[in-house]
Amino acid sequence: KQEVTQIPAALSVPEGENLVLNCSFTDSAIYNLQWFRQDPGKGLTSLLLIQSSQREQTSGRLNASLDKSSGRSTLYIAASQPGDSATYLCAVRGFYGGATNKLIFGTGTLLAVQP
Amino acid sequence: NAGVTQTPKFRVLKTGQSMTLLCAQDMNHEYMYWYRQDPGMGLRLIHYSVGEGTTAKGEVPDGYNVSRLKKQNFLLGLESAAPSQTSVYFCASSRPLVLAYNEQFFGPGTRLTVL
Repeated sequence: KQEVTQIPAALSVPEGENLVLNCSFTDSAIYNLQWFRQDPGKGLTSLLLIQSSQREQTSGRLNASLDKSSGRSTLYIAASQPGDSATYLCAVRGFYGGATNKLIFGTGTLLAVQP
Repeated sequence: NAGVTQTPKFRVLKTGQSMTLLCAQDMNHEYMYWYRQDPGMGLRLIHYSVGEGTTAKGEVPDGYNVSRLKKQNFLLGLESAAPSQTSVYFCASSRPLVLAYNEQFFGPGTRLTVL
């Protein structure tokens, strides 16, 4: 059974710091991995999608990497800003009895960027 | 484009009452999903659909029914609400997995309380 873990559960950093959020998964047979951002009381915003054949994706100050063999992904945020404060979720899509339409989510990392 | 929209945003039900949550997307996506989000449990897939007229069960389908009569709409029904169904419900949509840019896009959520 696929399990997705995000450590730490919460992180507080001063503005301007570069930071790394971690995501690990137990079954390396994934189709893709997606990083989301969730603001309090809001829906999920897709940040980056990495296909299983890719090793990284970049969007602005965000860079996500994927190491399938070790079951890990990292989200790197450069020059953090108070507006980056949110919960960050990773989710993997795998081959669960042929049903590749299911995303398995981690429970997220709550990020607070202090001004 | 509005993306993925959900109605209602909030609802309070009494045990045993029924209701329908509506999800609409204007991105011409084939796939649509219903998730629930509970504290400490992450997001879990309830039901999904890979096209108009088709539905399938996810991880936690009991107590829910769905219908996809039109490509742009995906309805989630609770026939007899129970307190255990108190949750935040999210709808999502995506392109088929065989196509690029197949990330899932989420709606803003419906906060449901069952008394």
